[in-house]
Amino acid sequence: ETGVTQTPRHLVMGMTNKKSLKCEQHLGHNAMYWYKQSAKKPLELMFVYNFKEQTENNSVPSRFSPECPNSSHLFLHLHTLQPEDSALYLCASSQESRVSYEQYFGPGTRLTVT
Amino acid sequence: GQNIDQPTEMTATEGAIVQINCTYQTSGFNGLFWYQQHAGEAPTFLSYNVLDGLEEKGRFSSFLSRSKGYSYLLLKELQMKDSASYLCATSGTYKYIFGTGTRLKVLA
Repeated sequence: ETGVTQTPRHLVMGMTNKKSLKCEQHLGHNAMYWYKQSAKKPLELMFVYNFKEQTENNSVPSRFSPECPNSSHLFLHLHTLQPEDSALYLCASSQESRVSYEQYFGPGTRLTVT
Repeated sequence: GQNIDQPTEMTATEGAIVQINCTYQTSGFNGLFWYQQHAGEAPTFLSYNVLDGLEEKGRFSSFLSRSKGYSYLLLKELQMKDSASYLCATSGTYKYIFGTGTRLKVLA
């Protein structure tokens, strides 16, 4: 149990659908992250939230929309995705993002866009 | 620019020692992490180096040379359960950069 949970674990959606990924951390951390992991590619940082404020948007297309209502919850809203967006989406948290703390990852959501 | 290089795959025998290298170029360097990721699972933290030298933690050790932009992860007394991907990552203010990972296969 890493203390970071993600739902759903698997998601299949069409290109015209709208869906949301949810992440929750039970570690009392102040920073949360969304990553995309595709086969044979490095983990790609998408968004960073520190104390509920977005501090990083790594040139992510607007069809991905993050939301962080509090330090324990992070959402990724998806709409009009493309097949190339199919990947494993990992959420992570750390004590905070301004210093180098280890990150705790959730199990990920395996997303397939048809 | 920012870049991390590590070998794609390595194979070693149970009980042996293996060294996984990582070279990096990054701005605002604030430390280097190693994570382990078993297939289908989340990455888990192994080690963190911010100063030059060797950090030992049980069977795993990690080394850093900031002047050379180089790190390695040393795994001793390899076990079958060590078969996994090992991710090298650098951190800077607000930003983490991961390498593609090294897939280690441990053979009996």
